[in-house]
Amino acid sequence: GDSVTQMEGPVTLSEEAFLTINCTYTATGYPSLFWYVQYPGEGLQLLLKATKADDKGSNKGFEATYRKETTSFHLEKGSVQVSDSAVYFCALNRDDKIIFGKGTRLHILP
Amino acid sequence: DTAVSQTPKYLVTQMGNDKSIKCEQNLGHDTMYWYKQDSKKFLKIMFSYNNKELIINETVPNRFSPKSPDKAHLNLHINSLELGDSAVYFCASSPSGGRATSEAFFGQGTRLTVV
Repeated sequence: GDSVTQMEGPVTLSEEAFLTINCTYTATGYPSLFWYVQYPGEGLQLLLKATKADDKGSNKGFEATYRKETTSFHLEKGSVQVSDSAVYFCALNRDDKIIFGKGTRLHILP
Repeated sequence: DTAVSQTPKYLVTQMGNDKSIKCEQNLGHDTMYWYKQDSKKFLKIMFSYNNKELIINETVPNRFSPKSPDKAHLNLHINSLELGDSAVYFCASSPSGGRATSEAFFGQGTRLTVV
């Protein structure tokens, strides 16, 4: 069945470091891909999305590119801030079923 | 206006009780979902409804019964609560209608604690 695999956390970085969170997927067809963020005590918010191969989603300095050949959608940010500390989820949507990866907790140290 | 709202935000109850969580969306979306998030933050889809019809039921115990009186509401009723039901339950909605490009919009979650 369809699935999403993302790197285990927690990931701890210093402020202004470069961030990569890996995400790969397994799905038939061409799903849409998403990154969601969950701040402590809150629900999930959409961070960015890509709906077809080679699309790049971007928001708040975060980017991810839909790579069909490697079935990947890695999240990157050039310079993280303390306020980026949260749990990040990679997800796919196929036929209205949205499937999430297990989440990666990110800690940014000042 | 809150797009997807669920109540209550916190729910503490004893084993064996029956409880309900309500969800409403004012986005005009066709599809609504219930997700369960465990203590390790893993999100698992439980149900999805499209225009009041059940589309996905992911091997959830039949103690859990979703009810959709109209396409803006999807309530979750849980019978005979067990300790393992303790989790955060999220309601979500998406425009869908076959538009698999759509993202889901989430409520703030209901933290259920069974004691």
